[in-house]
Parts: sequence; structure tokens; C-alpha cells
Amino acid sequence: DIQMTQSPSSLSASVGNRVTITCRASQDIRSYLNWYQQKPGKAPKLLIFGASSLQSGVPSRFSGSGSGTDFTLTISSLEPEDFASYYCQQSYTTPLTFGGGTKVDIK
Amino acid sequence: VQLQESGPALVKPSETLSLTCTVSGDSITSGSHYWTWIRQPAGKALEWIGRIHPSGSAHYNPSLESRGTVSIDTSKNQFSLNLGSVTAADTAVYYCARHTVRWFDSWGQGTLVTVSS
Repeated sequence: DIQMTQSPSSLSASVGNRVTITCRASQDIRSYLNWYQQKPGKAPKLLIFGASSLQSGVPSRFSGSGSGTDFTLTISSLEPEDFASYYCQQSYTTPLTFGGGTKVDIK
Repeated sequence: VQLQESGPALVKPSETLSLTCTVSGDSITSGSHYWTWIRQPAGKALEWIGRIHPSGSAHYNPSLESRGTVSIDTSKNQFSLNLGSVTAADTAVYYCARHTVRWFDSWGQGTLVTVSS
């Protein structure tokens, strides 16, 4: 199985801060990397697919980059509604696997 | 597109967990998607369980040790999960999702299933 490692596991930030979350795959997954946002008690929501493509309706402050084994999700200026957990997921091969998540909370 | 999970909230150990996902706003037979089950134990990360294509092709997470089966009912626009020989470790929120190309673009709201006697 491909292991997905996210860092940090949690972070505290203020509204307006720039936030960067990293995801590392245990092997080359090309650009088959997706990012999801999950708020408490809710289903995950797709933010970024194919490492860098923004899902329709997702604000442009979210961006993704990377290929191979190292990937990044960036929120350019944190908004109050962005406080949530974020998960990366590889779609290179089955079993499809997720990272352990990053919780972004209010500083 | 909307997805809605349904099924028992409580299952006894060693029994079979059975859930159904009803899809609206899209045809489950369109051929463009896989239909997927994902679960999340409380406070933990997401785990992919398995997926099925309307052609009948299915794939499963080996971590389930062959306990899981995903099936599709085209007449009802539904797909289902059966997970046998459950233990407390199978207690989780179970989500159904649409797998488009290579990502999960639509999700159900999730249903909590507790395994307990």
C-alpha cells in the first residue's frame, strides 16, 4: 500500500495567515493527489484534484502543488470558514489511501 | 448529484454490517464513475473500503481481509456494502461517494454504525 504522510498533524493560525500543509507519498504517485476539507460532523469536500486543479466553486485562496512524492496545499489568506481538517488522498493505485489529516484551528 | 446512506446504526459483533447508498441526480449506470464506500472511526483518518463500477468490476481494500462486498442495484439506482464478521474496530462513520475519474467529487452525509452487543 502507498502510505500518505501529512504534516503537521495540527496547526494554529489566525485569520489572514498563509497556511501550508504538506503531504508525502511513500512512492511516486505522479500527480494523482487530491485534497479534501472536512468540518466537524460533515462529509469531506473536494478542494483540489490532480495535485493542482481547483474544484469548481472552491475559492481561489486554495492552491495545490507538487508531483512525484511531495505535495503542498496552501491557503493564501485564512478565512474563518477555513478552520477545519484537511486530508490528502492518492489515486495512483488501489488501495486508495488517505493521509492522517491536518487540523487547522484558531490561534 | 446527491447520495444518502441508510442502514442499521447498531450491529452486533460477528454479524454483518449492511448499508445502502441511494443516488439521485445521476444515473448509477452512466459508466463514467465508480461508486465507493469510505469510513472514518471517531477522531481518526479516512479509510477507503471499496468501489464498484456499473460493469460489475469491484476493488477492495486488502485491510478488510475479504470481509467486504460492494454490490449495485441499477433498478433502484443504489449500491450497497456488506461487511461481515464485524468487531468493535469496525465502528465508524460510513460514507458513500461518487468516484469521478480519479477523485471523490460527491459524498453522502455519512452514517454512524456502532458495533456492540
